[in-house]
Amino acid sequence: DTEVTQTPKHLVMGMTNKKSLKCEQHMGHRAMYWYKQKAKKPPELMFVYSYEKLSINESVPSRFSPECPNSSLLNLHLHALQPEDSALYLCASSQELNRRFGEQYFGPGTRLTVT
Amino acid sequence: AQRVTQPEKLLSVFKGAPVELKCNYSYSGSPELFWYVQYSRQRLQLLLRHISRESIKGFTADLNKGETSFHLKKPFAQEEDSAMYYCALRTGGATNKLIFGTGTLLAVQP
Repeated sequence: DTEVTQTPKHLVMGMTNKKSLKCEQHMGHRAMYWYKQKAKKPPELMFVYSYEKLSINESVPSRFSPECPNSSLLNLHLHALQPEDSALYLCASSQELNRRFGEQYFGPGTRLTVT
Repeated sequence: AQRVTQPEKLLSVFKGAPVELKCNYSYSGSPELFWYVQYSRQRLQLLLRHISRESIKGFTADLNKGETSFHLKKPFAQEEDSAMYYCALRTGGATNKLIFGTGTLLAVQP
């Protein structure tokens, strides 16, 4: 399996809801990433996990809570989001954070709409 | 400051014409640069990296440290090349952070 998968493909949630996005890879990669992509804009890094430990938090609001339960799974828990959080959320993985093996593979994304 | 600049939001060419998508970067260290492509309704995928100096789908890109550029070129555009192209800089080290340019939408007309 050489793909990063993400579920769900689409999600609509209210501002008081709690939901989770899921990302999975079975390539043996030990680094995983969450990006946010607004329409017609480039992806912006949110979080980086390395060996299931949070390595980078790009000053993301606490209403976004990442979790890496094992080396193949990455979750993003969402609570009390705002309409401006509506975007495409991309997951990516790479072998390591180390420069030499850092090529990132992206999932198809979850399109989130906050109403 | 670490920055990637893609000056063209949209590049429209006719099939068979040469294509050059511009990318300039600002980085104090030794840069590692990539081109990613996003076809309509498909995932972001790696097209080229400067380390490998390869040609993928007829595209090439050469790192020019003097001009701090990594332009993407193809001698004869095809309609299936129509997509959004992002140039990205990897900061490396313990972060492996990718900094993306704003992207160029390539439209190849028949």
